[in-house]
Amino acid sequence: KAGVTQTPRYLIKTRGQQVTLSCSPISGHRSVSWYQQTPGQGLQFLFEYFSETQRNKGNFPGRFSGRQFSNSRSEMNVSTLELGDSALYLCASSSGHSSGNTIYFGEGSWLTVV
Amino acid sequence: QQQVKQSPQSLIVQKGGISIINCAYENTAFDYFPWYQQFPGKGPALLIAIRPDVSEKKEGRFTISFNKSAKQFSLHIMDSQPGDSATYFCAASRADTGRRALTFGSGTRLQVQP
Repeated sequence: KAGVTQTPRYLIKTRGQQVTLSCSPISGHRSVSWYQQTPGQGLQFLFEYFSETQRNKGNFPGRFSGRQFSNSRSEMNVSTLELGDSALYLCASSSGHSSGNTIYFGEGSWLTVV
Repeated sequence: QQQVKQSPQSLIVQKGGISIINCAYENTAFDYFPWYQQFPGKGPALLIAIRPDVSEKKEGRFTISFNKSAKQFSLHIMDSQPGDSATYFCAASRADTGRRALTFGSGTRLQVQP
């Protein structure tokens, strides 16, 4: 069974640009969540989508947005990039059932903003 | 507000020794407490998780101890091996998020010396 797949793995963007990251969850999983990992702030929850609807949201500015498609694949977008957005962005998937909610992470997309 | 506090920040243990990592939480609404292991360049992987209705859970060499009244939980790695060298994160989530939004501790970098 394939794991969580994220693309691209590495990218470099210029301040002020926007970026879109993609995530394919484990087959059958309906929940996709996104996390930002930085040395200073650690792992922080961005948002979670379940059946194409945003169900949970972390404490990030509106420049960070996401969406989920009918096949459960998800994208997150960061607009007007800032230097501080440089981070590892992790996608995670789960079945979405609260009783069996093991969350599986992908290997992440490394974003560098210059 | 850091809702999950993790210590120590780093830990060096001899092969065969016991590694102990501690976490404390503030939000009494948390009701699911997983531990994740992360190797460099990889996403976090679930090790073991516990609900507050039990005080201890063991899986192989990994044990979670949970103290609900003190709002603390800890990970014990018995017979630590060099292959256990990684960063460990405790986390917590709430039922009202479907347990799909994780709040992470700051991480502990474990080094097991041969």
